[in-house]
Amino acid sequence: EPEVTQTPSHQVTQMGQEVILRCVPISNHLYFYWYRQILGQKVEFLVSFYNNEISEKSEIFDDQFSVERPDGSNFTLKIRSTKLEDSAMYFCASSDWTGVQPQHFGDGTRLSIL
Amino acid sequence: AQRVTQPEKLLSVFKGAPVELKCNYSYSGSPELFWYVQYSRQRLQLLLRHISRESIKGFTADLNKGETSFHLKKPFAQEEDSAMYYCALRDIQGAQKLVFGQGTRLTINP
Repeated sequence: EPEVTQTPSHQVTQMGQEVILRCVPISNHLYFYWYRQILGQKVEFLVSFYNNEISEKSEIFDDQFSVERPDGSNFTLKIRSTKLEDSAMYFCASSDWTGVQPQHFGDGTRLSIL
Repeated sequence: AQRVTQPEKLLSVFKGAPVELKCNYSYSGSPELFWYVQYSRQRLQLLLRHISRESIKGFTADLNKGETSFHLKKPFAQEEDSAMYYCALRDIQGAQKLVFGQGTRLTINP
Protein backbone atom coordinates (compact mmCIF):
# COMPACT_ATOMS: atom_id res chain seq x y z
CA GLU A 1 0.00 0.00 0.00
CA PRO A 2 1.41 3.44 -0.91
CA GLU A 3 2.53 5.58 2.03
CA VAL A 4 3.34 9.16 2.87
CA THR A 5 7.04 9.38 3.72
CA GLN A 6 8.71 12.04 5.84
CA THR A 7 12.34 12.92 6.35
CA PRO A 8 14.19 13.24 8.59
CA SER A 9 12.61 11.21 11.37
CA HIS A 10 14.33 13.40 13.97
CA GLN A 11 15.77 16.88 13.52
CA VAL A 12 17.74 18.72 16.19
CA THR A 13 18.30 22.41 15.53
CA GLN A 14 19.62 25.42 17.41
CA MET A 15 17.09 28.13 18.25
CA GLY A 16 17.02 30.79 15.56
CA GLN A 17 18.10 28.45 12.78
CA GLU A 18 16.03 27.63 9.75
CA VAL A 19 14.71 24.11 9.34
CA ILE A 20 13.06 22.33 6.41
CA LEU A 21 10.91 19.28 6.95
CA ARG A 22 10.29 17.12 3.92
CA CYS A 23 7.37 15.00 2.86
CA VAL A 24 6.64 12.83 -0.15
CA PRO A 25 2.86 12.47 -0.43
CA ILE A 26 1.18 9.50 -2.06
CA SER A 27 1.77 9.86 -5.79
CA ASN A 28 -1.76 10.47 -7.09
CA HIS A 29 -2.79 12.69 -4.19
CA LEU A 30 -3.38 16.37 -4.75
CA TYR A 31 -4.27 17.70 -1.28
CA PHE A 32 -1.44 18.09 1.22
CA TYR A 33 -1.46 19.00 4.88
CA TRP A 34 0.87 19.68 7.78
CA TYR A 35 -0.08 19.06 11.39
CA ARG A 36 1.94 19.28 14.55
CA GLN A 37 1.72 17.70 17.98
CA ILE A 38 3.50 19.27 20.91
CA LEU A 39 4.38 16.65 23.52
CA GLY A 40 1.33 15.81 25.63
CA GLN A 41 -1.04 17.90 23.51
CA LYS A 42 -3.46 17.23 20.70
CA VAL A 43 -2.64 17.04 17.02
CA GLU A 44 -3.16 20.54 15.56
CA PHE A 45 -3.73 21.60 11.96
CA LEU A 46 -1.15 23.96 10.48
CA VAL A 47 -1.84 24.31 6.76
CA SER A 48 -3.45 22.72 3.74
CA PHE A 49 -2.17 23.02 0.18
CA TYR A 50 -3.83 22.40 -3.16
CA ASN A 51 -3.04 23.38 -6.73
CA ASN A 52 0.24 24.99 -5.71
CA GLU A 53 -1.24 27.32 -3.16
CA ILE A 54 -2.29 27.39 0.46
CA SER A 55 -5.99 26.63 0.76
CA GLU A 56 -6.28 27.08 4.52
CA LYS A 57 -3.97 27.88 7.42
CA SER A 58 -4.32 28.07 11.17
CA GLU A 59 -3.34 30.83 13.57
CA ILE A 60 -0.21 28.84 14.37
CA PHE A 61 0.98 29.16 10.78
CA ASP A 62 2.45 32.64 11.03
CA ASP A 63 5.07 34.39 8.89
CA GLN A 64 7.79 32.12 10.26
CA PHE A 65 6.26 29.18 8.42
CA SER A 66 6.08 28.49 4.72
CA VAL A 67 5.24 25.52 2.53
CA GLU A 68 6.37 24.63 -0.92
CA ARG A 69 6.03 21.95 -3.55
CA PRO A 70 9.42 22.39 -5.20
CA ASP A 71 8.99 19.53 -7.66
CA GLY A 72 6.41 16.92 -8.60
CA SER A 73 6.94 14.77 -5.55
CA ASN A 74 8.13 16.71 -2.49
CA PHE A 75 6.11 18.89 -0.14
CA THR A 76 8.14 20.89 2.38
CA LEU A 77 7.52 22.86 5.55
CA LYS A 78 10.06 25.56 6.34
CA ILE A 79 10.41 27.29 9.68
CA ARG A 80 12.52 30.39 9.15
CA SER A 81 13.80 31.17 12.63
CA THR A 82 13.00 28.40 15.03
CA LYS A 83 11.85 29.00 18.60
CA LEU A 84 11.90 26.65 21.56
CA GLU A 85 8.12 26.32 21.35
CA ASP A 86 8.41 24.92 17.82
CA SER A 87 9.64 21.67 19.34
CA ALA A 88 6.99 19.12 18.37
CA MET A 89 6.16 16.17 16.17
CA TYR A 90 5.26 17.36 12.68
CA PHE A 91 2.99 15.19 10.56
CA CYS A 92 2.45 15.44 6.84
CA ALA A 93 -0.75 14.09 5.33
CA SER A 94 -2.24 13.81 1.86
CA SER A 95 -5.56 12.95 0.31
CA ASP A 96 -6.68 12.18 -3.20
CA TRP A 97 -7.79 14.51 -5.98
CA THR A 98 -11.34 14.71 -4.66
CA GLY A 99 -10.27 15.73 -1.18
CA VAL A 100 -13.16 13.63 0.04
CA GLN A 101 -11.20 10.51 0.87
CA PRO A 102 -9.56 10.32 4.31
CA GLN A 103 -6.14 11.81 4.85
CA HIS A 104 -3.16 9.46 4.98
CA PHE A 105 -0.44 10.40 7.45
CA GLY A 106 3.32 10.02 7.43
CA ASP A 107 5.37 8.76 10.37
CA GLY A 108 6.18 12.28 11.45
CA THR A 109 9.36 14.27 12.07
CA ARG A 110 10.32 14.93 15.65
CA LEU A 111 11.75 18.47 15.77
CA SER A 112 13.81 19.37 18.81
CA ILE A 113 14.90 22.99 19.24
CA LEU A 114 17.82 23.59 21.60
CA ALA B 1 -15.81 26.74 16.21
CA GLN B 2 -15.01 23.10 15.77
CA ARG B 3 -14.10 21.16 18.87
CA VAL B 4 -13.59 17.49 19.64
CA THR B 5 -13.51 16.24 23.22
CA GLN B 6 -12.21 12.90 24.38
CA PRO B 7 -12.81 12.95 28.13
CA GLU B 8 -10.55 10.03 29.00
CA LYS B 9 -6.80 10.43 28.56
CA LEU B 10 -6.20 6.88 29.78
CA LEU B 11 -8.41 3.83 29.64
CA SER B 12 -7.45 0.41 30.89
CA VAL B 13 -9.57 -2.73 30.48
CA PHE B 14 -9.00 -6.46 30.68
CA LYS B 15 -8.75 -8.67 27.64
CA GLY B 16 -12.19 -9.90 26.64
CA ALA B 17 -14.00 -7.01 28.31
CA PRO B 18 -16.05 -4.47 26.34
CA VAL B 19 -14.41 -1.21 25.39
CA GLU B 20 -15.95 2.21 24.82
CA LEU B 21 -13.88 5.25 23.99
CA LYS B 22 -15.89 8.42 24.24
CA CYS B 23 -15.89 11.27 21.75
CA ASN B 24 -18.08 14.36 21.76
CA TYR B 25 -17.95 17.12 19.23
CA SER B 26 -19.10 20.66 18.71
CA TYR B 27 -19.64 21.96 15.20
CA SER B 28 -22.32 24.12 13.69
CA GLY B 29 -21.96 22.73 10.17
CA SER B 30 -22.23 19.21 8.78
CA PRO B 31 -19.43 17.17 10.32
CA GLU B 32 -17.71 14.05 9.16
CA LEU B 33 -16.27 12.06 12.06
CA PHE B 34 -13.27 9.75 12.10
CA TRP B 35 -11.36 7.55 14.48
CA TYR B 36 -7.62 7.34 13.92
CA VAL B 37 -5.38 4.87 15.76
CA GLN B 38 -1.68 5.06 16.48
CA TYR B 39 -0.03 1.82 17.54
CA SER B 40 3.31 1.98 19.32
CA ARG B 41 5.99 3.46 17.03
CA GLN B 42 3.64 3.57 14.06
CA ARG B 43 1.89 6.31 12.10
CA LEU B 44 -1.63 7.60 12.55
CA GLN B 45 -3.92 5.24 10.66
CA LEU B 46 -7.56 5.62 9.80
CA LEU B 47 -9.66 3.17 11.78
CA LEU B 48 -13.23 4.26 11.01
CA ARG B 49 -15.22 7.03 9.37
CA HIS B 50 -18.89 7.49 10.14
CA ILE B 51 -19.89 7.70 6.49
CA SER B 52 -18.68 4.16 5.85
CA ARG B 53 -20.70 2.64 8.68
CA GLU B 54 -18.38 -0.35 8.72
CA SER B 55 -16.70 -2.43 11.41
CA ILE B 56 -12.91 -2.53 11.41
CA LYS B 57 -11.01 -4.93 13.70
CA GLY B 58 -14.25 -5.44 15.58
CA PHE B 59 -14.67 -1.73 16.32
CA THR B 60 -17.81 0.22 15.51
CA ALA B 61 -18.83 3.81 15.99
CA ASP B 62 -22.20 5.44 15.44
CA LEU B 63 -22.71 9.12 14.92
CA ASN B 64 -25.36 10.41 17.32
CA LYS B 65 -26.26 13.89 16.16
CA GLY B 66 -28.64 14.46 19.06
CA GLU B 67 -25.92 13.85 21.62
CA THR B 68 -23.14 15.09 19.29
CA SER B 69 -21.18 11.96 20.02
CA PHE B 70 -19.18 9.40 18.05
CA HIS B 71 -18.16 6.84 20.64
CA LEU B 72 -15.92 3.94 19.61
CA LYS B 73 -16.94 0.50 20.82
CA LYS B 74 -15.69 -3.05 20.75
CA PRO B 75 -17.48 -5.90 22.52
CA PHE B 76 -14.39 -7.97 23.38
CA ALA B 77 -11.03 -6.23 23.72
CA GLN B 78 -7.84 -7.90 22.53
CA GLU B 79 -4.29 -7.17 23.66
CA GLU B 80 -3.35 -5.90 20.20
CA ASP B 81 -5.94 -3.14 20.58
CA SER B 82 -3.59 -1.32 22.95
CA ALA B 83 -2.84 1.98 21.24
CA MET B 84 -3.54 5.69 21.17
CA TYR B 85 -6.96 6.52 19.70
CA TYR B 86 -7.87 9.91 18.27
CA CYS B 87 -11.32 11.12 17.35
CA ALA B 88 -11.32 13.72 14.58
CA LEU B 89 -13.80 15.90 12.73
CA ARG B 90 -13.89 17.76 9.47
CA ASP B 91 -16.54 19.47 7.38
CA ILE B 92 -18.51 17.00 5.27
CA GLN B 93 -17.54 18.92 2.15
CA GLY B 94 -14.14 17.30 2.42
CA ALA B 95 -10.67 18.66 1.62
CA GLN B 96 -10.78 20.40 4.95
CA LYS B 97 -8.58 20.38 7.98
CA LEU B 98 -9.05 17.67 10.56
CA VAL B 99 -9.74 18.79 14.12
CA PHE B 100 -8.51 16.23 16.62
CA GLY B 101 -9.41 15.36 20.16
CA GLN B 102 -6.74 14.96 22.83
CA GLY B 103 -6.58 11.24 22.31
CA THR B 104 -7.20 8.29 24.61
CA ARG B 105 -4.47 5.81 25.44
CA LEU B 106 -6.12 2.40 25.60
CA THR B 107 -4.32 -0.36 27.46
CA ILE B 108 -5.62 -3.91 27.34
CA ASN B 109 -4.46 -5.96 30.28
CA PRO B 110 -3.98 -9.73 29.88
